[in-house]
Amino acid sequence: KAGVTQTPRYLIKTRGQQVTLSCSPISGHRSVSWYQQTPGQGLQFLFEYFSETQRNKGNFPGRFSGRQFSNSRSEMNVSTLELGDSALYLCASREGLAITDTQYFGPGTRLTVL
Amino acid sequence: GNSVTQMEGPVTLSEEAFLTINCTYTATGYPSLFWYVQYPGEGLQLLLKATKADDKGSNKGFEATYRKETTSFHLEKGSVQVSDSAVYFCALMFETGGGNKLTFGTGTQLKVEL
Repeated sequence: KAGVTQTPRYLIKTRGQQVTLSCSPISGHRSVSWYQQTPGQGLQFLFEYFSETQRNKGNFPGRFSGRQFSNSRSEMNVSTLELGDSALYLCASREGLAITDTQYFGPGTRLTVL
Repeated sequence: GNSVTQMEGPVTLSEEAFLTINCTYTATGYPSLFWYVQYPGEGLQLLLKATKADDKGSNKGFEATYRKETTSFHLEKGSVQVSDSAVYFCALMFETGGGNKLTFGTGTQLKVEL
């Protein structure tokens, strides 16, 4: 099976703009989660979607939002970009919602905010 | 709250040396435990996992045992190679009653030299 894919791989934006990142999960996986990775804060959970419903949300401002489509593909959106939003954004998919279900990660989208 | 503590890096070893990366956790209930590896410029790859006490996860010569009594999940490998140079993350997933998330340690960078 193909792995998790994320597009684009790299993005450069300026402060105040908005950005949309896309994630295609492994075929058959219904859960998609998003994480932010920065040198200072490490890996932080943003949100998880399952069957088009947000199931869990991390401690991020409302500028960060997401959605999931009926084919399980997911997008996350960041509005009014700030310098501190520069990070690697990782998407992960898994089959279900059990804590034994492994999350498989994509290669990430590197966002740079100038 | 739930958290993961990893040993600080970088860890520098000679090829064929024995590797231990310590990981301890704090969690209510019975979380699942994971080790992920991140190579430069890439996303996270699952290395191994254990879902109940005394389980041993293993893959590519790496092993870790879920120790409930010491709340630990230390990563070991008998003989490291230069190609093992990467950042290693210990993580746990616990029940929240809704969606779940991975809680990560800060990561340990491993450098293996000839």
